[in-house]
Amino acid sequence: QVQLQQWGAGLLKPSETLSLTCAVYGGSFSGYYWSWIRQPPGKGLEWIGEINHSGSTNYNPSLKSRVTISVDTSKNQFSLKLSSVTAADTAIYYCARGVVAPAASGGSCYPFDYWGQGTLVTVSS
Amino acid sequence: DIQMTQSPSSLSASVGDRVTITCRASQSVSSYLNWYQQKPGKAPKLLIYAASSLQSGVPSRFSGSGSGRDFTLTISSLQPEDYATYYCQQSYSTPRTFGQGTKVEIK
Repeated sequence: QVQLQQWGAGLLKPSETLSLTCAVYGGSFSGYYWSWIRQPPGKGLEWIGEINHSGSTNYNPSLKSRVTISVDTSKNQFSLKLSSVTAADTAIYYCARGVVAPAASGGSCYPFDYWGQGTLVTVSS
Repeated sequence: DIQMTQSPSSLSASVGDRVTITCRASQSVSSYLNWYQQKPGKAPKLLIYAASSLQSGVPSRFSGSGSGRDFTLTISSLQPEDYATYYCQQSYSTPRTFGQGTKVEIK
């Protein structure tokens, strides 16, 4: 049974750096894309970025200048750093696994099939 | 970025009702469209991937259809545990984007 367990600081001051880590248990680390997704309280979902086991990344352009996602394959963990946070970064942050799934039209879809429990990060002075 | 628009934003339905939620992409996403269910205080749960494939363990009353720009999530007979918010998401390109959500409430 695959489990994603995440942790990190929940209260930050403006201009600080958000740092979260997600550990993957019970499954292979390679062959998947590992994502960070956030959800402001009471609002919708925003994809932050992804990394694969070899360290190849894709970031949301809206956050790219402030985001770093890294991987530690020896520990089956991946991490998120978001710099210069403001109140607008207050959200529940989720880690998730993107799985390669065949599409009937050909090619591959990448749904998020396993999620972490979420971490509420509040930015306040 | 590909914009995903869901309709309606919310709906009220009774147990046993057939419920349909639509999702429109700002450009074609082929069949690279996924649906999630989210309950309060919980992480989203994958229901449907690649537009119409049922995720393992998801009840068969959930189904998805569509391709290109227009997609539908159908719940054939609404159950009490189905009251939740539903999101579509495209995985055709990065950034991966989600619809704004459809909240299904008790009538």
